[in-house]
Amino acid sequence: DAKTTQPPSMDCAEGRAANLPCNHSTISGNEYVYWYRQIHSQGPQYIIHGLKNNETNEMASLIITEDRKSSTLILPHATLRDTAVYYCIVRKPFMEYGNKLVFGAGTILRVKS
Amino acid sequence: EAQVTQNPRYLITVTGKKLTVTCSQNMNHEYMSWYRQDPGLGLRQIYYSMNVEVTDKGDVPEGYKVSRKEKRNFPLILESPSPNQTSLYFCASSLFGGGANSPLHFGNGTRLTVT
Repeated sequence: DAKTTQPPSMDCAEGRAANLPCNHSTISGNEYVYWYRQIHSQGPQYIIHGLKNNETNEMASLIITEDRKSSTLILPHATLRDTAVYYCIVRKPFMEYGNKLVFGAGTILRVKS
Repeated sequence: EAQVTQNPRYLITVTGKKLTVTCSQNMNHEYMSWYRQDPGLGLRQIYYSMNVEVTDKGDVPEGYKVSRKEKRNFPLILESPSPNQTSLYFCASSLFGGGANSPLHFGNGTRLTVT
């Protein structure tokens, strides 16, 4: 899988938008960008994924640059419960090595009141 | 509610005593997988299953067994647990295993301690 680079930590004020960046400059044209989060040893929670177009669901929005070399996860109104480690993952489009997800170090997002 | 359910959540056992961690999903998913998470090593895949009766090794399969006799269940078996298997374990499933447009959904984890 293509390597991803994320800042180790970020702070966000409660109620404000949290914008989490991710660089994936070696991404291939058919690889997807996935975002997961993990809250204190709970199971990783799927947030959103996309290929080329921007995506939005009830949890977040995913903005992918036109060249696909970077993306931003946006939590529109962050709450204290959004404090977690956020993982940006690039995933191949075919079954390879057990179709596993490769988690990096992620970004620790701290939402503060 | 659609979910992946693991049991037990916590387990303390002794070296050599066989144990099974159960995993069940109610989403009719074809693909299921087991991961372990250790400090500094992240999540690593143990075994996976593309469908019923189809299983294969992941990155760290030594000391583990799995079976997939039914679509919804994917138990993880430790025949002779050792202290180096002390870890946080996650089961996961997705609708399909052959494509990247199928999100993987995780259970809440089983924290295993082997003394």
